[in-house]
Amino acid sequence: AQSVTQLGSHVSVSEGALVLLRCNYSSSVPPYLFWYVQYPNQGLQLLLKYTTGATLVKGINGFEAEFKKSETSFHLTKPSAHMSDAAEYFCAVREYSSASKIIFGSGTRLSIRP
Amino acid sequence: NAGVTQTPKFRVLKTGQSMTLLCAQDMNHEYMYWYRQDPGMGLRLIHYSVGEGTTAKGEVPDGYNVSRLKKQNFLLGLESAAPSQTSVYFCASRSQLGGEGDEQFFGPGTRLTVL
Repeated sequence: AQSVTQLGSHVSVSEGALVLLRCNYSSSVPPYLFWYVQYPNQGLQLLLKYTTGATLVKGINGFEAEFKKSETSFHLTKPSAHMSDAAEYFCAVREYSSASKIIFGSGTRLSIRP
Repeated sequence: NAGVTQTPKFRVLKTGQSMTLLCAQDMNHEYMYWYRQDPGMGLRLIHYSVGEGTTAKGEVPDGYNVSRLKKQNFLLGLESAAPSQTSVYFCASRSQLGGEGDEQFFGPGTRLTVL
């Protein structure tokens, strides 16, 4: 069965600094991987996804993630943090079943210091 | 397009009371899902549906029932609410047509407190 581990429940960076949110997955088959963002008091919004092809995936708001099969990782990065990036971020993997359910990680709360 | 909507946005119940949460989507999606979100636990799947008239159990189905009588609506019921069901509930939907890489679209959530 697929699973997702997000390292660090809370990450704090300064405005303008690099953002790195870590995600490792376990899957016996090539995975479909997602990053979702949740702003306060809102639902989840897709940031980016990896299905097949290029391992470096670009998403909205300047975020990108790299699929590394050898490390079973899908870390999320952004070169320069902005105050508006403060939110909770969830890594997720598609479960292979008839309903294609998504398995979510426990989430990482990103705080931005002025 | 309103996307995925949820009713109500907030609710406070007393232990033992019942209620129904409504999820509606206007994207003609086949798949619909109910999740609960608790601090430090991410989103956990309660029930899901792969089409009108079908439902199935997810990871944490106990204490909940669902129905999907119309394609656009997915109802989540609590027959006898318990404090452990205090949570934020999210509904999501997904098209069957886009393949395995297609995303789920989420509603804004319902914040439920059971006293």
